[in-house]
Amino acid sequence: AQKVTQAQTEISVVEKEDVTLDCVYETRDTTYYLFWYKQPPSGELVFLIRRNSFDEQNEISGRYSWNFQKSTSSFNFTITASQVVDSAVYFCALSETITGANNLFFGTGTRLTVIP
Amino acid sequence: GAVVSQHPSRVICKSGTSVKIECRSLDFQATTMFWYRQFPKQSLMLMATSNEGSKATYEQGVEKDKFLINHASLTLSTLTVTSAHPEDSSFYICSVQPPRGSNQPQHFGDGTRLSIL
Repeated sequence: AQKVTQAQTEISVVEKEDVTLDCVYETRDTTYYLFWYKQPPSGELVFLIRRNSFDEQNEISGRYSWNFQKSTSSFNFTITASQVVDSAVYFCALSETITGANNLFFGTGTRLTVIP
Repeated sequence: GAVVSQHPSRVICKSGTSVKIECRSLDFQATTMFWYRQFPKQSLMLMATSNEGSKATYEQGVEKDKFLINHASLTLSTLTVTSAHPEDSSFYICSVQPPRGSNQPQHFGDGTRLSIL
């Protein structure tokens, strides 16, 4: 069965601090996708990244970086030099290919508050 | 620009009312769309998979007679919450599965916040 765990329910940091959001997943599938989404207070989901299970390279996009470790089934997300606009709920999600369904299984989310 | 259009963005209505939410794919034809529900301060949970031209596939615990899904065209899926009650108040969000081979992730609508009084 598939499962996505985001153990951090809420995190508060002071502006300009770095913060890492943890994500641990479980799947029996050998081919899967991992995602991160940002959900600001307005509610829409903002796509941040998709990672294929065969691609373990870390990725950096501006202040955002992602660390994918298959050995520990983790896909952690780091924001460097955090800003107030980063305040949101962040969801990690998993999509399996074995069922062919392609729907997303979401973690419970981490609410990030960046204090000015 | 937006790839998925979801309307309305917010609905407030009385208990017993039926509410229809539209999810429209603007950039491509979509044989598969998904409907998710998010209760306050909780995660998104898949309600059903909407399949063009056939019956929707509902997740366990989701009443198909309560949440009617129609996917009559390749660009439109609708979710109707029938005889809505306060416990149906939630954030409903749809997503569109891009065509096979496009290598694109799902595209989400902006969601519908439903409040039943």
